[in-house]
Amino acid sequence: GAGVSQSPSNKVTEKGKDVELRCDPISGHTALYWYRQSLGQGLEFLIYFQGNSAPDKSGLPSDRFSAERTGGSVSTLTIQRTQQEDSAVYLCASSFFPGGSYNEQFFGPGTRLTVL
Amino acid sequence: QKEVEQNSGPLSVPEGAIASLNCTYSDRGSQSFFWYRQYSGKSPELIMFIYSNGDKEDGRFTAQLNKASQYVSLLIRDSQPSDSATYLCAVVSPGNQFYFGTGTSLTVIP
Repeated sequence: GAGVSQSPSNKVTEKGKDVELRCDPISGHTALYWYRQSLGQGLEFLIYFQGNSAPDKSGLPSDRFSAERTGGSVSTLTIQRTQQEDSAVYLCASSFFPGGSYNEQFFGPGTRLTVL
Repeated sequence: QKEVEQNSGPLSVPEGAIASLNCTYSDRGSQSFFWYRQYSGKSPELIMFIYSNGDKEDGRFTAQLNKASQYVSLLIRDSQPSDSATYLCAVVSPGNQFYFGTGTSLTVIP
């Protein structure tokens, strides 16, 4: 079946502009994660959605970042007033979350954000 | 203290050798452990998961878990140049949050 999809694949924006990044998880997956990865760095957790529960926003770096997930499926990550340090690859992952051990995350191809 | 620690490397091994990648974690209650491989410019892809103490083998890959020592490792036997990538260790906390290490860069030299 189809994997996790993200759009756009690349986004170049000017400092101070707002951007929206989209993630479409694998159908049936209840958990959705957003990560950020700067060049040569590891994965930085941003936010986690599980079903209809309130999201875990503990990783969001500032109040300029927000995310929502509509209908338990598609998610949008919004960055307001972008700064140059926001430049990174933003990765989305989803998993089927029965509460057990087999909650493997499947990653999308990422959105490369460049803030000029 | 970070939740998950990995040596960043780079780790270089000759083709055909065994590559050993190590990871330690801080939350003793963690139950699930994953190894992901990430090629340059690509997204991470799952190699193996393990949740019981001991060894788990899958082809040339063996994951080892020691919960008492809070240590998980990945062995790659008969390393190939195509194994050259960054290997990410991920640990799932009791609250079901994923924590990733910063990754170990592996280069297999032909």
